[in-house]
Amino acid sequence: GDSVTQTEGLVTLTEGLPVMLNCTYQTIYSNPFLFWYVQHLNESPRLLLKSFTDNKRTEHQGFHATLHKSSSSFHLQKSSAQLSDSALYYCALSASNSAGNKLTFGIGTRVLVRP
Amino acid sequence: GALVYQYPRRTICKSGTSMRMECQAVGFQATSVAWYRQSPQKTFELIALSTVNSAIKYEQNFTQEKFPISHPNLSFSSMTVLNAYLEDRGLYLCGARDRGNTEVFFGKGTRLTVV
Repeated sequence: GDSVTQTEGLVTLTEGLPVMLNCTYQTIYSNPFLFWYVQHLNESPRLLLKSFTDNKRTEHQGFHATLHKSSSSFHLQKSSAQLSDSALYYCALSASNSAGNKLTFGIGTRVLVRP
Repeated sequence: GALVYQYPRRTICKSGTSMRMECQAVGFQATSVAWYRQSPQKTFELIALSTVNSAIKYEQNFTQEKFPISHPNLSFSSMTVLNAYLEDRGLYLCGARDRGNTEVFFGKGTRLTVV
C-alpha cells in the first residue's frame, strides 16, 4: 500500500535559520497528490501546501516544496524560521483528485523554533 | 470559511463500554468524511471513508461492527467506538472535503481514554 516517510522526531532550530523537513513517498499511482499539513498546539491539522505537478514549486506563507516524482519526494522548506512556525508538520499522500480518496500520513515532525 | 467541529474533545470511558463522537462541517458540503485514529506514538491511520450516497469503506483492521459510522447529510457524521478497550485509546480525527476539492478540513479531534 501507500506509505509516507518523513523526518522523524523533534527538529529544533533557531529563529531566522532555514528549515527543511524531508518527505518521501511510495505509491503505485502515477499521479499522486502530496500535501503538507501543519498542526499547532490544540488546533486542527491545517493544509499548508499541496501539489500534484512534477517539478513545480508550490509556495504558501513562506514555505515551499517541489514534488519530484523521479525521487518520490516532497520536501518542505522555509528560508527563515519564525517562532510561530513551532508546530507538528505532517506530509501526506492521496492517490488522486477524486473526492473520497484517503490521505496516507507520515509520522509527523515536531518543529521547535527558539529565539 | 470552511470549518469542521468535532466533539467531544476529550472523553473517558470504561473498558467494554462504547462512546460516540460527532463531526460537523460548516461553510462547505462534506461530501466525503474520513475518520482517522492516532494511537500513541503512531501517525494518523485511516479507519473508514464515508461518501454521501455510497457505501462506507473500512480499511483493513477496522470493521463496521466495531466502528459504526453515520453520514446522514452533507454537514454531519458520527462514529461510535463499540466495546472500547485499551488498544482503542488515542486521538480520533475527522476530515471532510467537498467533491472535486483536494483540501481536507479537519476537526480538532476527540481524545479517547479507556480505563
